[in-house]
Amino acid sequence: GAVVSQHPSRVICKSGTSVKIECRSLDFQATTMFWYRQFPKQSLMLMATSNEGSKATYEQGVEKDKFLINHASLTLSTLTVTSAHPEDSSFYICSAGGGGADTQYFGPGTRLTVL
Amino acid sequence: DAKTTQPPSMDCAEGRAANLPCNHSTISGNEYVYWYRQIHSQGPQYIIHGLKNNETNEMASLIITEDRKSSTLILPHATLRDTAVYYCIVRVANTGNQFYFGTGTSLTVIP
Repeated sequence: GAVVSQHPSRVICKSGTSVKIECRSLDFQATTMFWYRQFPKQSLMLMATSNEGSKATYEQGVEKDKFLINHASLTLSTLTVTSAHPEDSSFYICSAGGGGADTQYFGPGTRLTVL
Repeated sequence: DAKTTQPPSMDCAEGRAANLPCNHSTISGNEYVYWYRQIHSQGPQYIIHGLKNNETNEMASLIITEDRKSSTLILPHATLRDTAVYYCIVRVANTGNQFYFGTGTSLTVIP
């Protein structure tokens, strides 16, 4: 199947700093990517839909000013967690679909720990 | 998207078939049934999907009932590496459409 990568795989930061997470589709172009958050022992929760060349669409309850999404090219979407706090510590996962597939392929995830 | 119902957990003996059920009684005509699994601390892995016909690939088989209100994912010979949380999702097949995850089934393969 298609390959989606994320960088970094793990990040530890101090409270109040901003953290950027990259999601790349390596062997196909993706006009749409998705960002999820997963807390321990819980399921994946969709945060937002990232649209290439336009604004992201956020799910209800997700703060768009805190979780900035940029989808500047057909192979890259970035999620920036601004002014991170300990409650933002979570597993962040992206997904992308494309190349003629009608399914989504997920990245390996990024573990964010805010101290 | 239609909601799905899965048992929270199941056990399966290594080498035996694992049969994971999913109810999706409100599925609409253009929604596919997708199965993903998530091994601890990794991103979800695509397994299989189908509309109404049974499907088989190198990983698993998908059996969809004639009324499409339920389905079963079959792992024919479970191994310890199949221990994971399995998610059944129904969704219109389009790359722009979101996946909404339920709670899934935690499958434990026992030696």
